[in-house]
Amino acid sequence: GENVEQHPSTLSVQEGDSAVIKCTYSDSASNYFPWYKQELGKGPQLIIDIRSNVGEKKDQRIAVTLNKTAKHFSLHITETQPEDSAVYFCAASSGAGSYQLTFGKGTKLSVIP
Amino acid sequence: KAGVTQTPRYLIKTRGQQVTLSCSPISGHRSVSWYQQTPGQGLQFLFEYFSETQRNKGNFPGRFSGRQFSNSRSEMNVSTLELGDSALYLCASSSPDRDGYTFGSGTRLTVV
Repeated sequence: GENVEQHPSTLSVQEGDSAVIKCTYSDSASNYFPWYKQELGKGPQLIIDIRSNVGEKKDQRIAVTLNKTAKHFSLHITETQPEDSAVYFCAASSGAGSYQLTFGKGTKLSVIP
Repeated sequence: KAGVTQTPRYLIKTRGQQVTLSCSPISGHRSVSWYQQTPGQGLQFLFEYFSETQRNKGNFPGRFSGRQFSNSRSEMNVSTLELGDSALYLCASSSPDRDGYTFGSGTRLTVV
């Protein structure tokens, strides 16, 4: 089955700096890669996603890049703010009409004011 | 638009008991998936239901089961509870015309 590795497990950045979280996946059939943000006491919230026919996607301060050949994808957050502090999860799915996701173990991001 | 609603939010059960958790998806969403979240194993897929049929199942023992009703609401049941079943159980729903899940806030199950 699919295996998703995520690193780093913790990341501290100064407010205004950029943060990068990286994930690798094992199943070449995976074609859907979402990123989720989870705040304390809440369920994960989808922040951005990308399909395998796209190399990069941007949404304001957040961007995701995908390298299918190397089987890795990354989340980039620019101009970080204290409210970006949370746990971030990457995931992969082979789709086919179903969203059975395999998640990475998460990255705890702390943005220091 | 109401989000995914999970009830109850917190639950304490004794080893050997069984438990039923409930999930109401976003209106119009017909797919409901369940995940278990623990500090050690992270987020793990339990099962997915679509139009009252189980479409996928994760690698969990048969003590974990679920169902979906005609109004898309879903329940999951865990029988003969073990201490290791203590976890946050998350339900997520998805729409056929848009990528991605919307998760509920989860049910925190503690087995003592």
